[in-house]
Amino acid sequence: EAGVAQSPRYKIIEKRQSVAFWCNPISGHATLYWYQQILGQGPKLLIQFQNNGVVDDSQLPKDRFSAERLKGVDSTLKIQPAKLEDSAVYLCASSPYGTGDPPLHFGNGTRLTVT
Amino acid sequence: GDSVTQMEGPVTLSEEAFLTINCTYTATGYPSLFWYVQYPGEGLQLLLKATKADDKGSNKGFEATYRKETTSFHLEKGSVQVSDSAVYFCALSLGGYQKVTFGIGTKLQVIP
Repeated sequence: EAGVAQSPRYKIIEKRQSVAFWCNPISGHATLYWYQQILGQGPKLLIQFQNNGVVDDSQLPKDRFSAERLKGVDSTLKIQPAKLEDSAVYLCASSPYGTGDPPLHFGNGTRLTVT
Repeated sequence: GDSVTQMEGPVTLSEEAFLTINCTYTATGYPSLFWYVQYPGEGLQLLLKATKADDKGSNKGFEATYRKETTSFHLEKGSVQVSDSAVYFCALSLGGYQKVTFGIGTKLQVIP
């Protein structure tokens, strides 16, 4: 099966600019996650979708970050305006959802550098 | 809140040495526990998991046992190889919507 696709792989922007990341999950996976991974830290959950509904966005900085998942498939994560501390790798993951805690399947991530 | 604590790295071992990476968790309920691995240049992938107390997860020679009494899920391997060099993340999943929380990761370097 095709894996989780993310684009772009790398992005460099100046602070106060805006940026968007795209994720295409594995076909049929109902759950989609966006994680932020700052260098030297573990992935931190930003937002979790179940189909096209949000089930957890408690750690999403909503004053600058937004995300959507139209039609329960692809998803975009946007930052506007960016700050220096947003420099990180943004990981998208998907899961088929169900009993027994199915594993997360991760994309390769987008490395964002804010200067 | 729910959290995972794992030993900080990096851990450097010689080939064929015994590996232990410690992981403990704090959770309000009964989580499922995971080890994910990230090889150089690749995405995170599941290594093994355990869904209830006393379960042992195993894969590729790695093992971890879910210890409820010590809230731990330590990763072990009897004889590491150079190809095991990677970053290892302990994680837990809790709740009906399967929210997954990760530790900070432990970098393992195996030298020939």
